[in-house]
Amino acid sequence: AQSVTQLGSHVSVSEGALVLLRCNYSSSVPPYLFWYVQYPNQGLQLLLKYTTGATLVKGINGFEAEFKKSETSFHLTKPSAHMSDAAEYFCAVSTYNQGGKLIFGQGTELSVKP
Amino acid sequence: GAGVSQSPSNKVTEKGKDVELRCDPISGHTALYWYRQRLGQGLEFLIYFQGNSAPDKSGLPSDRFSAERTGESVSTLTIQRTQQEDSAVYLCASSLQAGGPYNEQFFGPGTRLTVL
Repeated sequence: AQSVTQLGSHVSVSEGALVLLRCNYSSSVPPYLFWYVQYPNQGLQLLLKYTTGATLVKGINGFEAEFKKSETSFHLTKPSAHMSDAAEYFCAVSTYNQGGKLIFGQGTELSVKP
Repeated sequence: GAGVSQSPSNKVTEKGKDVELRCDPISGHTALYWYRQRLGQGLEFLIYFQGNSAPDKSGLPSDRFSAERTGESVSTLTIQRTQQEDSAVYLCASSLQAGGPYNEQFFGPGTRLTVL
């Protein structure tokens, strides 16, 4: 079975500061990893995903994440936070043999201070 | 339609009543998923459909929960004899096919269910 742990239910950064949202996963087979964002009163939107190949993946809005198998991690980063990045972020995992169903972490709420 | 739609957007019901939640997937998407998001928590997988194959019901929390899908179109999630712990946002997602890394799931806006 797969599982996802997001460290920190709430992260607060200043505008222009580095954003780092942590995600660790557990999977007995090679994982597919995803980051989704949920803006207030909106649906989930895919930020980026890792499937195979290059371990550093870039997504929308300047976000990127690095798959580190040895650390079972897939942390999300952005060099410079913007006020519009304030949202809830979810890390998720699926595998080739699970029909695409996503197993989500608990979510991290990102606040950006002016 | 342009995206996944769900109805109603909000549903308030009394404990013990049955409720039906509806999901209209993106046209042409053969896979459809239901998730539940309790307040302050992540999304929990409930069930998914892929074409005419038997659905994967492994995430349904109890036999009070059931879901149907007609072909590759609309799906309904039914909760019988609702309990207060069923209060949550129920999200539907669809993708071209189930599984594989390239079949991105597109999510609907959700139905917020409140059981009094």
